[in-house]
Amino acid sequence: DTAVSQTPKYLVTQMGNDKSIKCEQNLGHDTMYWYKQDSKKFLKIMFSYNNKELIINETVPNRFSPKSPDKAHLNLHINSLELGDSAVYFCASSLIQENTEAFFGQGTRLTVV
Amino acid sequence: GESVGLHLPTLSVQEGDNSIINCAYSNSASDYFIWYKQESGKGPQFIIDIRSNMDKRQGQRVTVLLNKTVKHLSLQIAATQPGDSAVYFCAENKEVNSGYSTLTFGKGTMLLVSP
Repeated sequence: DTAVSQTPKYLVTQMGNDKSIKCEQNLGHDTMYWYKQDSKKFLKIMFSYNNKELIINETVPNRFSPKSPDKAHLNLHINSLELGDSAVYFCASSLIQENTEAFFGQGTRLTVV
Repeated sequence: GESVGLHLPTLSVQEGDNSIINCAYSNSASDYFIWYKQESGKGPQFIIDIRSNMDKRQGQRVTVLLNKTVKHLSLQIAATQPGDSAVYFCAENKEVNSGYSTLTFGKGTMLLVSP
C-alpha cells in the first residue's frame, strides 16, 4: 500500500533527450510537490500543485513542465536534458491546511550522460 | 563528534548514546516545524513535528526542542541504535504565496551510529 509512488526509480539518459517522471498518491491529499535533491543532499522545492492548479514555481527552468491530470497525480516532464539536471527528484503530497506533514515518494535518480 | 565542512555535517555516536542534532531556521514567522529521517535510497520520512506555540514535544525515543528566540530546533534521540543511521532534516512551514505554505528544508545532518 504505497502512499506516494513515483516511477521510474532510476533513469539514465543522454543530454538533449526529453523524459518524464510520474507520481501518484493514494492518500486523498489535495496538494502535491516536486523537490530536487542535489549531490550534497540539499532538498529544494520546485513546484507545488493544489487541486491541479499550480501554486508554487520556484524559478525552475522552462524545460521543466509539471502536469497534474487530477489531484492524485503530478507528473514532471523535462525537455532537453542537461548534465546539471542529474539529481534525485522527490514527489510529495500533503493537505493544504497549514501544519500538516508532507509524505514523500521513494525518489527518482536521474542521471544525464 | 560533529564536523561541518564542505561535506554534509556528520554526527558520529556509539550505540546506546544519546544523540542531539541541531538546526537553525530562517523565518521568525514560521509556525510549524518537522524533523525528517532519510535512509539511503529512500525518501524523507516523518519523525516528529512541533508547532510554534510549544517549546518541547516528545515521541518514542525522540524529543524535539524549539527555541523561537534564536530560531533553533534540536532533535534528541535517546539510546541511539544502528538503525537510526541516516540523514536528518529539519523543515519549516513557510508561507510562499498568499494563503499557501510549503516545507523548506535545512541542510541535513548525517548521523552515523557504530555498534
